[in-house]
Amino acid sequence: GQNIDQPTEMTATEGAIVQINCTYQTSGFNGLFWYQQHAGEAPTFLSYNVLDGLEEKGRFSSFLSRSKGYSYLLLKELQMKDSASYLCVQSSNNNDMRFGAGTRLTVKP
Amino acid sequence: EAQVTQNPRYLITVTGKKLTVTCSQNMNHEYMSWYRQDPGLGLRQIYYSMNVEVTDKGDVPEGYKVSRKEKRNFPLILESPSPNQTSLYFCASSLLGEQFFGPGTRLTVL
Repeated sequence: GQNIDQPTEMTATEGAIVQINCTYQTSGFNGLFWYQQHAGEAPTFLSYNVLDGLEEKGRFSSFLSRSKGYSYLLLKELQMKDSASYLCVQSSNNNDMRFGAGTRLTVKP
Repeated sequence: EAQVTQNPRYLITVTGKKLTVTCSQNMNHEYMSWYRQDPGLGLRQIYYSMNVEVTDKGDVPEGYKVSRKEKRNFPLILESPSPNQTSLYFCASSLLGEQFFGPGTRLTVL
């Protein structure tokens, strides 16, 4: 939704690597967040990018290209518990937050 | 324990009966926000507040009101609920960007 585009669903195998892409509108951009949401639960914070480049945090990394309006979340060494929805979120200069519809990731044995 | 609480967690009501969903945070955050989450649409921002007595409309404010009389509380008010407001509602607070979400309130309007 709201001009933030990410794939609806992805499937990957336990132990593998998966990349979830997100594109957004560049006007008024302030920062890019990734959240994880398990079914029926509240979203939890994963990462925040405000400058171009890669931010690494354990098995999860997030990349941002401000000029291209593009980000991705990289999940390594996938575990079954990583099955969840991953939300790409843009914060704007006027402090409002815009969420993508989420990518539902299924990790299979 | 640092947390955001919402009440009630579940509510079934009828069209036109005013209701309030409370939200409270104990982290002294200035920024608070309300979202609704519907299948296929993701989270959409209803209202947000940068500080006490400062509130702004998000993407879908119609049919909702909020108030911010004190820093810790940010209630969401539905003066005359309608069936299209049936949804999962989340409150969130933040200090420097990362948002902490409450557990959610599942509202059904009949």
